[in-house]
Amino acid sequence: DTAVSQTPKYLVTQMGNDKSIKCEQNLGHDTMYWYKQDSKKFLKIMFSYNNKELIINETVPNRFSPKSPDKAHLNLHINSLELGDSAVYFCASSQDDGGGTEAFFGQGTRLTVV
Amino acid sequence: GDSVTQMEGPVTLSEEAFLTINCTYTATGYPSLFWYVQYPGEGLQLLLKATKADDKGSNKGFEATYRKETTSFHLEKGSVQVSDSAVYFCALGSGGSYIPTFGRGTSLIVHP
Repeated sequence: DTAVSQTPKYLVTQMGNDKSIKCEQNLGHDTMYWYKQDSKKFLKIMFSYNNKELIINETVPNRFSPKSPDKAHLNLHINSLELGDSAVYFCASSQDDGGGTEAFFGQGTRLTVV
Repeated sequence: GDSVTQMEGPVTLSEEAFLTINCTYTATGYPSLFWYVQYPGEGLQLLLKATKADDKGSNKGFEATYRKETTSFHLEKGSVQVSDSAVYFCALGSGGSYIPTFGRGTSLIVHP
């Protein structure tokens, strides 16, 4: 069974569209994350969320919004897509114990905005 | 705030060469330290970790020792293989925040 799964793996869309990326984890973890990886492989935290709080990286445009229907899911919704949103987006999860445990990553979603 | 600095790549080596990828960190308290590996087209996966000073993490021939005095966690392997070609990320997890902090990643290219 895949621990952290995200869909779709590839997403090609036009500027101005709204899209969602889904993420599910079956590890029973408390905390989930979304990261953006640019072409130079730099990982930028976008959101972290557990059943207590949502932490938003203040540099993330408000066109991006996380939606968590339950503890096992954290979806990423993006409004009015722009060319600069093209990147690989990774979902991850970990147990909320103060940061000492590893994060488990999904396979990534390569978003291309044309 | 917490931060991780790792050497810039790409690091290019011949098969069976010795590998070192440097990583230093800044953190409050006593963080856990991690190395993750990202193979082409895949997500990150944990390679090894160390949770306290002087601990050595090891996996698949890779090693790293948690050095509190030099705030370092350098990754080493005695003999690299072509299959080790990937991007390597140093990271820390701190008690002050449950959000992992990642370095910028170091690309390793191993030639036959």
